Amino acid sequence: RKEVEQDPGPFNVPEGATVAFNCTYSNSASQSFFWYRQDCRKEPKLLMSVYSSGNEDGRFTAQLNRASQYISLLIRDSKLSDSATYLCAVTNDYKLSFGAGTTVTVRA
Amino acid sequence: DVKVTQSSRYLVKRTGEKVFLECVQDMDHENMFWYRQDPGLGLRLIYFSYDVKMKEKGDIPEGYSVSREKKERFSLILESASTNQTSMYLCATCGAETNTGELFFGEGSRLTVL
Repeated sequence: RKEVEQDPGPFNVPEGATVAFNCTYSNSASQSFFWYRQDCRKEPKLLMSVYSSGNEDGRFTAQLNRASQYISLLIRDSKLSDSATYLCAVTNDYKLSFGAGTTVTVRA
Repeated sequence: DVKVTQSSRYLVKRTGEKVFLECVQDMDHENMFWYRQDPGLGLRLIYFSYDVKMKEKGDIPEGYSVSREKKERFSLILESASTNQTSMYLCATCGAETNTGELFFGEGSRLTVL
């Protein structure tokens, strides 16, 4: 079983819609959780950390469910510029493991 | 701003050739990493280094070696390239605590082995 798994998508949504997707992790002892964003042919960049109580950053909301071992990312009021691949990342023993990414395409 | 520079954006090599991928960072970060990224498999950790002359195997070290002679430079070496090493290679760096999660990536080196 992979350490970190994501639905690859793609999620095709109209502008203004809400889109949400999850990432599951296999190691219950995982310490820290993150969402990265990767644009086509570019390097990944940190989007936001995921805290136990859940957290928001503008239109983005991240949640952690330790009991079911998944994290989620919700994007409200989608913009065309939100089109990207979203990678979840999980820390185990101070190493960061990544999921394969979920592709989101926002259409006009 | 952290700058992570990878020496080559695109390389084409033949099977059996030795390949060097260089990565240089300008932020005095202790930790440096080499990942490869493949469709459907995501980013997989090859090797990492927490200090000069120090290296640790990641999840897929077979067929690779690394060198960290200076703090700012972390090199990935393919001693004898094979076609299954065709991939995008990403170097990354971060400060003292890996579990802060903010890795800074280079732009990537796309390697094709014929």
